[in-house]
Amino acid sequence: DGGITQSPKYLFRKEGQNVTLSCEQNLNHDAMYWYRQDPGQGLRLIYYSQIVNDFQKGDIAEGYSVSREKKESFPLTVTSAQKNPTAFYLCASTHRGSYNYGYTFGSGTRLTVV
Amino acid sequence: QKEVEQDPGPLSVPEGAIVSLNCTYSNSAFQYFMWYRQYSRKGPELLMYTYSSGNKEDGRFTAQVDKSSKYISLFIRDSQPSDSATYLCAVSIQGAQKLVFGQGTRLTINP
Repeated sequence: DGGITQSPKYLFRKEGQNVTLSCEQNLNHDAMYWYRQDPGQGLRLIYYSQIVNDFQKGDIAEGYSVSREKKESFPLTVTSAQKNPTAFYLCASTHRGSYNYGYTFGSGTRLTVV
Repeated sequence: QKEVEQDPGPLSVPEGAIVSLNCTYSNSAFQYFMWYRQYSRKGPELLMYTYSSGNKEDGRFTAQVDKSSKYISLFIRDSQPSDSATYLCAVSIQGAQKLVFGQGTRLTINP
């Protein structure tokens, strides 16, 4: 079945530690997105990428980094510079040019700082 | 002012009731309107998609867009406990590379 796989489902980070969230899709989608979801705040865009080796900052990119070396993969690193990283992280994808028709989302990774 | 405003609720109704979920938006250039449903600890799934003004019906769900008022609605008829979820509206402009999401409304249908 085609879809988006996010791993791990739950992740715990110690203070000062970098962690990487995985996002893999087998939908042959060009565009991929990372969102952060906090209670009562909806989805906030962190980074997005339209093609391999290219990505743009979203609304809340500070403290995060991404790479897009393969079409099917878009990992997100939460760095120690992100002061409040505890949140639910969602990866999404769509065909380039189909942004207006909605995204496919993964099941999310819940990150907790301990 | 946020581009899309959505009452976060929570909203609690009895089973069988008609549910109305709403969003307002500020940019008249938005042409594409979506509703997503998100179950607890899951990713959102696309529920309804509408282009420009008008109504769209899919089973018990009806999406309505009023561009003159910059107001979008999702109606759920004969609501079921399985409809309990967070509902997110999303809007987009032709050519834009990203969607703009509302805050989401948490809905509970009580048996």
